Amino acid sequence: KAGVTQTPRYLIKTRGQQVTLSCSPISGHRSVSWYQQTPGQGLQFLFEYFSETQRNKGNFPGRFSGRQFSNSRSEMNVSTLELGDSALYLCASSPGALLGYGYTFGSGTRLTVV
Amino acid sequence: QQPVQSPQAVILREGEDAVINCSSSKALYSVHWYRQKHGEAPVFLMILLKGGEQKGHEKISASFNEKKQQSSLYLTASQLSYSGTYFCGTDSGGGADGLTFGKGTHLIIQP
Repeated sequence: KAGVTQTPRYLIKTRGQQVTLSCSPISGHRSVSWYQQTPGQGLQFLFEYFSETQRNKGNFPGRFSGRQFSNSRSEMNVSTLELGDSALYLCASSPGALLGYGYTFGSGTRLTVV
Repeated sequence: QQPVQSPQAVILREGEDAVINCSSSKALYSVHWYRQKHGEAPVFLMILLKGGEQKGHEKISASFNEKKQQSSLYLTASQLSYSGTYFCGTDSGGGADGLTFGKGTHLIIQP
């Protein structure tokens, strides 16, 4: 059974640019969540999508957005990149509601903003 | 508010036991535990739900004290493969706010 696939694995962008990251969840999983991981702040919740609808959003500025497609694949977009956006972005797939299931994480996209 | 994990780091010899604690200031619906090795994605270990239900790996055990909003992860007869950073993630919003993760406990197992 294929795992969670995130592309690209590594990305270098310039301050002010925008970036789109992609996530393909485990087949059959309808929930996709995104997390930002940095050495200073640790793992922080960005948002969760379920059946193409954003269910929840963390405490991040509006520059961070996402969407989910009918095949459950998800993308997240960061506009007007700042140096502080440099981080590992992790996508997490689960069969359904958070309460009853654990996440399967992808390997992440390492974003470096210069 | 981020849950507090303790200890921050621990070094063990293979075969020894370890306990990792996670404490929250909020009432919790569930507590999740993950292990992350350097350069890899976090891996799900266990979920403890309000009401006592647990789901996870057979060789990992954990407890959840709902009244104290505390959880503990028990690693017995540790193996070299147990090395990594352990994170607890807490759900205090019924899934509404995702998981709030602690800063992690670094576990090193030496032969």
